[in-house]
Amino acid sequence: LAKTTQPISMDSYEGQEVNITCSHNNIATNDYITWYQQFPSQGPRFIIQGYKTKVTNEVASLFIPADRKSSTLSLPRVSLSDTAVYYCLVGAPESSASKIIFGSGTRLSIRP
Amino acid sequence: NAGVTQTPKFQVLKTGQSMTLQCAQDMNHNSMYWYRQDPGMGLRLIYYSASEGTTDKGEVPNGYNVSRLNKREFSLRLESAAPSQTSVYFCASVSGTVHSPLHFGNGTRLTVT
Repeated sequence: LAKTTQPISMDSYEGQEVNITCSHNNIATNDYITWYQQFPSQGPRFIIQGYKTKVTNEVASLFIPADRKSSTLSLPRVSLSDTAVYYCLVGAPESSASKIIFGSGTRLSIRP
Repeated sequence: NAGVTQTPKFQVLKTGQSMTLQCAQDMNHNSMYWYRQDPGMGLRLIYYSASEGTTDKGEVPNGYNVSRLNKREFSLRLESAAPSQTSVYFCASVSGTVHSPLHFGNGTRLTVT
């Protein structure tokens, strides 16, 4: 699996747009980029996944440049409830005997 | 649809005691995983099972054993608990279809005194 690098922490305010960037220089051709969100005392939950360009769902957008060596998770108009740890993973989980390794994630704190 | 169910939710052990953490999924997923998460830290992979009948070591397997009992169930055993194993343990599963995401349980909070 490709190694990923993300900021350890970020702070923002309610109503702002938050962008969290993840670097994955060694991404393989078949790899997808997947983001998870983890609230305190809960297991991570899937937010969004993409392969290239832009993906948008009801929660977030994911921007992936043409070289795919990085990706940016964008959270529009954050609220206090978006305070969580966000993990970027790169790989193909469905491949056989696949280790799925999480990094340290980005701890996002939203202030009133 | 329960998803991934972990039992127990909380457990306190004395050093040297043994216990088994249970995990079951009802989504017919092929692969299952055990992670531990220490306070303020990320998740670390202990063991995983790519399919029924197979298990493999993750990043931190020492002190643990696993059993993939059937397609639904994947248990984690601590034979002789140590204070360093105090952590929150999460079980997860993934279907194995193309680029499907992980589904996590709510965790077991284990304290070893």
